[in-house]
Amino acid sequence: QKEVEQDPGPLSVPEGAIVSLNCTYSNSAFQYFMWYRQYSRKGPELLMYTYSSGNKEDGRFTAQVDKSSKYISLFIRDSQPSDSATYLCAGNTNAGKSTFGDGTTLTVKP
Amino acid sequence: DVKVTQSSRYLVKRTGEKVFLECVQDMDHENMFWYRQDPGLGLRLIYFSYDVKMKEKGDIPEGYSVSREKKERFSLILESASTNQTSMYLCASSSNILGSSSYEQYFGPGTRLTVT
Repeated sequence: QKEVEQDPGPLSVPEGAIVSLNCTYSNSAFQYFMWYRQYSRKGPELLMYTYSSGNKEDGRFTAQVDKSSKYISLFIRDSQPSDSATYLCAGNTNAGKSTFGDGTTLTVKP
Repeated sequence: DVKVTQSSRYLVKRTGEKVFLECVQDMDHENMFWYRQDPGLGLRLIYFSYDVKMKEKGDIPEGYSVSREKKERFSLILESASTNQTSMYLCASSSNILGSSSYEQYFGPGTRLTVT
């Protein structure tokens, strides 16, 4: 079983929709939870991170972690075509190495 | 602005060739990583390094080796390339200083390697 499992997608939504991307994890030692965004033919870039449980908001993006259920979510409000990308969730024990989900490819149609 | 560069964007090699993929970072990061990314399999860690001349195996090290002679440079070596090593290879780096954001990895643009 993988340490981080991600909803596989792909996901296609109309512009303006609310998007929910989800992951589960099994490693209780994870302290940091990250969402990376990867555009086509580019490397992933960190979008948001959360330390331990709770919510974190940044503009149209909200990251949520529930450590009791080992669930990680990313919500995108008012989705835009420029949000079309692959989104990867990841967990980190703060020992340097991160474990990534397989990624969910999102397409936002104008 | 952190920059991680990889020696080639696209590479085509023949079966049995020795292949070198190079990665350079300019942020004085201690940690460096090599991943491969395949559809449906996500990002898989091949090797990583916490310091010069140090290396540790990741999840799929078979068929690969690495070299880190200088802090800023981390090389991935395919000793004898095979067709199942056709993939996108991504290098990343992160800081290892206490109190810094070591969870954040900075990725290069990737090298798409095709082995024929």
